[in-house]
Order: sequence, then C-alpha cells, then structure tokens
Amino acid sequence: SQQGEEDPQALSIQEGENATMNCSYKTSINNLQWYRQNSGRGLVHLILIRSNEREKHSGRLRVTLDTSKKSSSLLITASRAADTASYFCATAPGWGKFQFGAGTQVVVTP
Amino acid sequence: SQTIHQWPATLVQPVGSPLSLECTVEGTSNPNLYWYRQAAGRGLQLLFYSVGIGQISSEVPQNLSASRPQDRQFILSSKKLLLSDSGFYLCAWRAGSVANSGANVLTFGAGSRLTVL
Repeated sequence: SQQGEEDPQALSIQEGENATMNCSYKTSINNLQWYRQNSGRGLVHLILIRSNEREKHSGRLRVTLDTSKKSSSLLITASRAADTASYFCATAPGWGKFQFGAGTQVVVTP
Repeated sequence: SQTIHQWPATLVQPVGSPLSLECTVEGTSNPNLYWYRQAAGRGLQLLFYSVGIGQISSEVPQNLSASRPQDRQFILSSKKLLLSDSGFYLCAWRAGSVANSGANVLTFGAGSRLTVL
C-alpha cells in the first residue's frame, strides 16, 4: 500500500501563479521528502523536512509538515513553465523502504 | 561524484520472453539499491531493495526477480514476461551508512520503459 497520498491529482496554473499540493501519510516518520519527475524521466529529490521541523524553504519551494495531522504541503511560488512535472512525496516508515504516493501532475502554461 | 546508470532505456518484448534490466552505481560503495515500477500516470511501487551483495528483499510477489552480483550492480529479471509487466522501471540508490546525511535521499536512474506485447 502507498504510504503517501498527494492531493490534488492534477493542477493547472499559469506562469507566475503559486502551486500548492498536499500529501497525507499513515504512519510515524523521521522525515518526509518531495521529489519531482519530468515526463518519462527519473525522479529528482527536491527537499527533505524532518519530523521536528514545521517549515522549510529552498528557493521558490516551501514545505510544511504537520505531524499531528500526518500531512505535508509543497508550495511552488511564482511558477514557471519549466516547473511542469509530477511531484511526489515520499516517506520511509521502515528502514530503507521509501514509499511514494501517486503524485500531483502540475502543468504551468505560459 | 556519484552517478547511476540504467539500461536499456526502452525495450519491447513479446509475452513469454525473458527480461534483464541492469543498473550500476559509480562513485560510492555499499549503496542501498532499489527497483521501482511505475504504471502510466501512477505512483511508484517498490519491487526490490538490497542492502548488500546477495541480499535482496522482495516487496511484492510477482513474476520478477532481482539479483546483486556486485556491490554496485543491481539486476531485474524475469524468465517469462506477462502483459502486466509493462511499465516504467526505475533503479535508485542511497548511501548505505546511516551516519551519512545522504542516506535519507534517493537518487534515481533515468528509467527503463518496458512494453510487453
């Protein structure tokens, strides 16, 4: 079963707008990670947030984590066409067993 | 720097034929290695992971097997492919030492797209 579930499944926005996607998970975690996948390519790690952190920033990315609700959000500010991709959250509830959600497909139109 | 290579990038195979996908990692030792499968428009399903040579953990019973003959080599195989084996296969690695901060992050290969006809 999938540990993380992203919401929404798909998101379409225009350049310059912000994109927000959410992730819910089921078990306790040490950290939660977000990855990006361009069409037909491998996943690329974006950002990691530890269980004792509530918010983390990296460039135009902002990640929040609410362990009481077992949820996380990824915000991409000032979206660009190059941000078009699928975004996945991942957790590793068991040692080494990274589990991914179904992803949010983001389309940014010029 | 570390790199991961995965091949072939694409292949089309008939039902009942064998399969071999290979993944190698350079620039690190004793990595944890992973095989994932991704169906079209879906998330990633963990198939196998390995913490060392000859040590394979299978996550989903299926028509596939994995082997790790060398420290930085991970092979996904099937003796007889099924239509349901079609998908995008991704190899990934992470540092094997928990003391290494990179142990928390997966690095993926470019993927192998398998179509079984």
